[in-house]
Amino acid sequence: GQNIDQPTEMTATEGAIVQINCTYQTSGFNGLFWYQQHAGEAPTFLSYNVLDGLEEKGRFSSFLSRSKGYSYLLLKELQMKDSASYLCAVRDERADSWGKLQFGAGTQVVVTP
Amino acid sequence: KAGVTQTPRYLIKTRGQQVTLSCSPISGHRSVSWYQQTPGQGLQFLFEYFSETQRNKGNFPGRFSGRQFSNSRSEMNVSTLELGDSALYLCASSFISGSYEQYFGPGTRLTVT
Repeated sequence: GQNIDQPTEMTATEGAIVQINCTYQTSGFNGLFWYQQHAGEAPTFLSYNVLDGLEEKGRFSSFLSRSKGYSYLLLKELQMKDSASYLCAVRDERADSWGKLQFGAGTQVVVTP
Repeated sequence: KAGVTQTPRYLIKTRGQQVTLSCSPISGHRSVSWYQQTPGQGLQFLFEYFSETQRNKGNFPGRFSGRQFSNSRSEMNVSTLELGDSALYLCASSFISGSYEQYFGPGTRLTVT
């Protein structure tokens, strides 16, 4: 099975940086995803990491360490519209489970003026 | 290109009834996954269909079932509804099974009274 942990809530000021950590304990691993979900809306894809290291995409970056079972999502130059839930999800390595993602409970980020 | 569509968007049913939810993937996408989202359990995988075949199944009772048609549209059915089935049901489509580019629909909000 998979156990995926991330903080419940984080608060930061507009223009600041926030780092959302995600730790996972899995029997297999074939990629880690980050999604953003605004209240009442569908999750939207932010990033995908399968190899160790940092992936940068504009104001958002995601890091993965497979040996430590650890990832983080870094949000820079925070804007009010970044207030949302951020979901960490892991995909199993088994080929017949590639379409199945296991999600963490989500981290609610609150951006204050 | 139109996104993933789900119908209906909102639904109210009583205990013991059954319900059918529909998902139309992005044109050309052949994989459809279904998820249940509740405040307590977060996003949980229900099943994945690819080319009309169920490829993966989550840990849900047999009351939850699904199917996929030749045009890739998918339906999920929940029989003998329970209060605990109240949730947001999301479907996600991707071009191939297991692709990391998975696009979510807006969801169907099911309330069981």
